[in-house]
Amino acid sequence: AQSVAQPEDQVNVAEGNPLTVKCTYSVSGNPYLFWYVQYPNRGLQFLLKYITGDNLVKGSYGFEAEFNKSQTSFHLKKPSALVSDSALYFCAVRDYGGSQGNLIFGKGTKLSVKP
Amino acid sequence: DVKVTQSSRYLVKRTGEKVFLECVQDMDHENMFWYRQDPGLGLRLIYFSYDVKMKEKGDIPEGYSVSREKKERFSLILESASTNQTSMYLCASSPPDPNTEAFFGQGTRLTVV
Repeated sequence: AQSVAQPEDQVNVAEGNPLTVKCTYSVSGNPYLFWYVQYPNRGLQFLLKYITGDNLVKGSYGFEAEFNKSQTSFHLKKPSALVSDSALYFCAVRDYGGSQGNLIFGKGTKLSVKP
Repeated sequence: DVKVTQSSRYLVKRTGEKVFLECVQDMDHENMFWYRQDPGLGLRLIYFSYDVKMKEKGDIPEGYSVSREKKERFSLILESASTNQTSMYLCASSPPDPNTEAFFGQGTRLTVV
């Protein structure tokens, strides 16, 4: 069965510093991995997805993610954090086994960027 | 611009009421999903549908049912609302291709009193 884990409940960074939000995955077969962001009392917004062959994926709002097959990780990164990046971030993997493409989510990581 | 629209942002219902949460998408997607979001638990799948009139149970279907009479609309029904169903409910849609992202509605925050 597919699964993802986000080991940190919260990440704190200072504005202008690089940020990393961690995600590890467990899949049988090819991984279909995604990152989403959620602002307070809003739905989820798509940030980026892993495309087979591209170990560094670029997405919206200056975010990127590094895919590492040997470490089964898909960490979200940004070179210079903004206060407006403060939000809840979810890593997800497609379950294309018996669930017709359901997304399985991690528990989320709260990112707090301080001025 | 693609859109998934949930009928209400906030709802307050009484225990025992039958509650309908509506979701409409304008992207002609085959797949539609209902998730429940609770702090510390992430998003959990309640039900999903991969075609009109087709539905599959997710991880936490108890106390819920769904209806998909038209491709663009997916309804979540709380048969008899209880306080432990107070939560944020998120609807999503996607094409069947596993490499495509899902699109989410803005969420419905339901409070059962």
